[in-house]
Amino acid sequence: EAEVAQSPRYKITEKSQAVAFWCDPISGHATLYWYRQILGQGPELLVQFQDESVVDDSQLPKDRFSAERLKGVDSTLKIQPAELGDSAMYLCASKTGTANTEAFFGQGTRLTVV
Amino acid sequence: DAKTTQPTSMDCAEGRAANLPCNHSTISGNEYVYWYRQIHSQGPQYIIHGLKNNETNEMASLIITEDRKSSTLILPHATLRDTAVYYCIVKAGNTPLVFGKGTRLSVIA
Repeated sequence: EAEVAQSPRYKITEKSQAVAFWCDPISGHATLYWYRQILGQGPELLVQFQDESVVDDSQLPKDRFSAERLKGVDSTLKIQPAELGDSAMYLCASKTGTANTEAFFGQGTRLTVV
Repeated sequence: DAKTTQPTSMDCAEGRAANLPCNHSTISGNEYVYWYRQIHSQGPQYIIHGLKNNETNEMASLIITEDRKSSTLILPHATLRDTAVYYCIVKAGNTPLVFGKGTRLSVIA
């Protein structure tokens, strides 16, 4: 069964360092999402892509976060510089471009900033 | 903000049916009801979704009231592996999923 792949699975970084997460969506999925989930809360949307274009990045802290999906396939989320409050699970999800269909999530990257 | 209301937690005996309620009284005509669950330290897992008719798949059944203001997710024979946080989400089209706090279901042996 096709899956959304994310790496690394876990990441520990020092504050003020740069960190990057990678996501490979299910083949053929035009829509890609990045979510952040703080412990004990539900996931919150950071950015949505349709192919290589950003559809919604209104909740992305653009002073330190960036996201790209250059060829409309895999995607990278970067944080620079990392802050203690960025410790969270970062989740990637993808879906087809067809309306009212389900999205599939990867296993996430657990980030700890020390 | 999430458009749904769910109980914070529920318990269910192993082997019994788990019935998880969700209130979505402000649902719009074009919005579907989606259910996801999240087992500890894993990504959310899609369960089922529907518009107005009841739906069933290999994982669960979704019962939507006629006025569409509430729904119930049914796990027919709960197992310990069904212990998770269950999220009820309403959305339309290709808009992103907006998660609330969900219901923490504990299946007890």
